Amino acid sequence: ETGVTQTPRHLVMGMTNKKSLKCEQHLGHNAMYWYKQSAKKPLELMFVYSLEERVENNSVPSRFSPECPNSSHLFLHLHTLQPEDSALYLCASSQGGSSTGQETQYFGPGTRLLVL
Amino acid sequence: GQNIDQPTEMTATEGAIVQINCTYQTSGFNGLFWYQQHAGEAPTFLSYNVLDGLEEKGRFSSFLSRSKGYSYLLLKELQMKDSASYLCAVKDSNYQLIWGAGTKLIIKP
Repeated sequence: ETGVTQTPRHLVMGMTNKKSLKCEQHLGHNAMYWYKQSAKKPLELMFVYSLEERVENNSVPSRFSPECPNSSHLFLHLHTLQPEDSALYLCASSQGGSSTGQETQYFGPGTRLLVL
Repeated sequence: GQNIDQPTEMTATEGAIVQINCTYQTSGFNGLFWYQQHAGEAPTFLSYNVLDGLEEKGRFSSFLSRSKGYSYLLLKELQMKDSASYLCAVKDSNYQLIWGAGTKLIIKP
């Protein structure tokens, strides 16, 4: 059982498509994160939202656009992606923002994205 | 730059003990995390160390030496279900999590 859900679990899209990834957390947390996980590479933090405000954006290309309508939901809008964007996209949440030591992040199962 | 190093892959036998090492070079230190990730699943939290020493949780233990920039995860009485990737991550001075690439652990009967 996980307190963080993601849909879809798998997605295949062409470079001209527009799609959205959805994340929902049922833990009452106030911070949410998007990560990119590529094979044999460290997790790459893409975006952080704390109390629905974006607090971090690690120079992610504009073809990725996040949206956080409330503290329980997070979206990642995708458009005109490139084949190198194929990866596992993980959502995570934590009680507060990232500015504490023992803040544990809880992850969703991810969306496996393939860009053709 | 900031860096987390851990072995890419390890193999161990069911019932045995395995130690997964993690070394880090970060700007500041505010704790070290270990996560387990089964193939196709979410990473799940295993342990957090911020002070030197050993933290034990059942079959899993995690050790930290801040002076050496070193941690290990010790798994005892290995079971087939322990086959997974193990991710090491450090919080730097800005409380940002820096992640290692993960160690894929293969358990053989």
